[in-house]
Amino acid sequence: DIVLTQSPGTLSLSPGERATLSCRASQSVTSSYLAWYQQKAGQAPRLLIYVASIRATGIPDRFSGSGSGTDFTLTINSLEPEDCAVYYCQHFGRLWTFGQGTKVEIK
Amino acid sequence: EVQLLESGGGLEQPGGSLRLSCAASGFAFSSFAMSWVRLAPGKGLEWVSSLSDSGGSTYYADSVKGRFTISRDNSKNTLYLQMNRLSGEDTAAYYCARAASGSFDYWGQGTLVTVSS
Repeated sequence: DIVLTQSPGTLSLSPGERATLSCRASQSVTSSYLAWYQQKAGQAPRLLIYVASIRATGIPDRFSGSGSGTDFTLTINSLEPEDCAVYYCQHFGRLWTFGQGTKVEIK
Repeated sequence: EVQLLESGGGLEQPGGSLRLSCAASGFAFSSFAMSWVRLAPGKGLEWVSSLSDSGGSTYYADSVKGRFTISRDNSKNTLYLQMNRLSGEDTAAYYCARAASGSFDYWGQGTLVTVSS
């Protein structure tokens, strides 16, 4: 089974800075089935990015996804206080798999 | 507007059973695969189970296989998760989610399941 490893575990940045979140797959995966989610405390997860780089409906363009093969990245440009959350990557292959998450803290 | 509303969570003893429901509205329920995803305290998201649009194909995480059963009633626009032989490791918020092209594009607000004696 494919394992998704996210890094770093926690990212602490100031408003206006850029956040770069990594998701590494244990073997090459198809970008068509790589997604990113945001989960704020006490809320349901929200789909941010699907097919590795397509923003979901209503997602601000400061969120972008990239990557292929085993290495994928979620970039948040110009961080805002409301971006404080845990971010998960997810892949669909034989079954569905989530990474362990990256917590983004705003200083 | 797509809405997913879970219910049925609560406190249950180890070894007990619970049945979760997810009422869907705002979209053609019978045209979409549906899933359950959970978030245990202090842990990350874990995919639990998925069901095809017709209900003919089911999928389970190894951690729940043989104990949980996913089903749907397309006439009632409702998704279910029957959970048997519960253990403390099943304590989590359970989310209903619409599956689309391998990702989950809409989520409910979740229902909390606590397994404790």
